Amino acid sequence: ILNVEQSPQSLHVQEGDSTNFTCSFPSSNFYALHWYRWETAKSPEALFVMTLNGDEKKKGRISATLNTKEGYSYLYIKGSQPEDSATYLCAFNSGTYKYIFGTGTRLKVLA
Amino acid sequence: NAGVTQTPKFQVLKTGQSMTLQCAQDMNHNSMYWYRQDPGMGLRLIYYSASEGTTDKGEVPNGYNVSRLNKREFSLRLESAAPSQTSVYFCASSEHTSTEYGYTFGSGTRLTVV
Repeated sequence: ILNVEQSPQSLHVQEGDSTNFTCSFPSSNFYALHWYRWETAKSPEALFVMTLNGDEKKKGRISATLNTKEGYSYLYIKGSQPEDSATYLCAFNSGTYKYIFGTGTRLKVLA
Repeated sequence: NAGVTQTPKFQVLKTGQSMTLQCAQDMNHNSMYWYRQDPGMGLRLIYYSASEGTTDKGEVPNGYNVSRLNKREFSLRLESAAPSQTSVYFCASSEHTSTEYGYTFGSGTRLTVV
């Protein structure tokens, strides 16, 4: 059974703080890793798709890095804003049709 | 707007009743998926369809059936609903299967089985 773990499960930060969280996945048979942003009462939206070891992707104040050899990816948010409050999901794929999702990190940014 | 449309958004069933969740996408995606979301657990794959005319079991297929009616539509059927199937169901699609493209999700169906 492939496990994808995310940490922390939840965190609260103050507006303006920078934060980061982790997605851990099996280091063997890596094919791709996705990050999604999931706001309450909405559906998950794709943030990043990462395929190469050492990849770094950026979208505005949010960026992600990937280490496939050790099996982890970091998501960073610089200068958090209340609208960043959401659950951030990662999903791992080993080259099949199936993505394994983590349980997510719930971020609350306090104004 | 282009995307994935799921119906219904909410449903309450009695144990033993049947129902079909509908999903349609207008992005010409090849692959479609059904996931369920339960508290404290990640999204779990129920069934998927890699391309029109094919369906395969995911992680938690028991109690469900699917139909890939055409390239646009992928339905999920509960033949005899059980309380354990109370969950939020998400349909998703992607242009390719195991590649670098992310999923597009529908807005979800909240199902309660009493």
